[in-house]
Amino acid sequence: DQQVKQNSPSLSVQEGRISILNCDYTNSMFDYFLWYKKYPAEGPTFLISISSIKDKNEDGRFTVFLNKSAKHLSLHIVPSQPGDSAVYFCAASLGVAGTALIFGKGTTLSVSS
Amino acid sequence: DADVTQTPRNRITKTGKRIMLECSQTKGHDRMYWYRQDPGLGLRLIYYSFDVKDINKGEISDGYSVSRQAQAKFSLSLESAIPNQTALYFCATSVPGGDTQYFGPGTRLTVL
Repeated sequence: DQQVKQNSPSLSVQEGRISILNCDYTNSMFDYFLWYKKYPAEGPTFLISISSIKDKNEDGRFTVFLNKSAKHLSLHIVPSQPGDSAVYFCAASLGVAGTALIFGKGTTLSVSS
Repeated sequence: DADVTQTPRNRITKTGKRIMLECSQTKGHDRMYWYRQDPGLGLRLIYYSFDVKDINKGEISDGYSVSRQAQAKFSLSLESAIPNQTALYFCATSVPGGDTQYFGPGTRLTVL
């Protein structure tokens, strides 16, 4: 039973437009959420995170929104750039009560110029 | 220089062989993890270690063992490799109480 779900395997966006990547979770005990970006032949790289006590966190072009009542979070990239083309993983943590990150299956973002 | 390194980066082996994947880190983090990535399945936790004397099984530990030789080194062993262990393997580190994990570049393992 998947606790973290990324239901869109892929997303294609034009350069300059907004990219929205979605993630749903089932465990209400998750208290921290992260987004990782992964390029081919490299390890996942931390991108941005959000605590469950917040509903928004922004870092440059990247914004993560959390809707706890819907158990849903999203990553917005504005404006999208070709270099953003990668696999994006959503991950969740139980915080101090937990042991490791629970990852979604990933969404492949392709940004065309 | 990379903070988390993994060796080898690529390995092809045969069914039944013993193989060891190594991870070293210079971040000074106490916690280390081994994950496996299969196509379309995301990353799944194999083993984790909160310090040198603390080793714990993750979601998919069967067929694997680990050794934490020092704070900076965490090795993953496949005692008798089988083809369905063909995957990408990632090592990660974190600080106690920290949720963010930092990943190595990965090892691509193929078991024939």
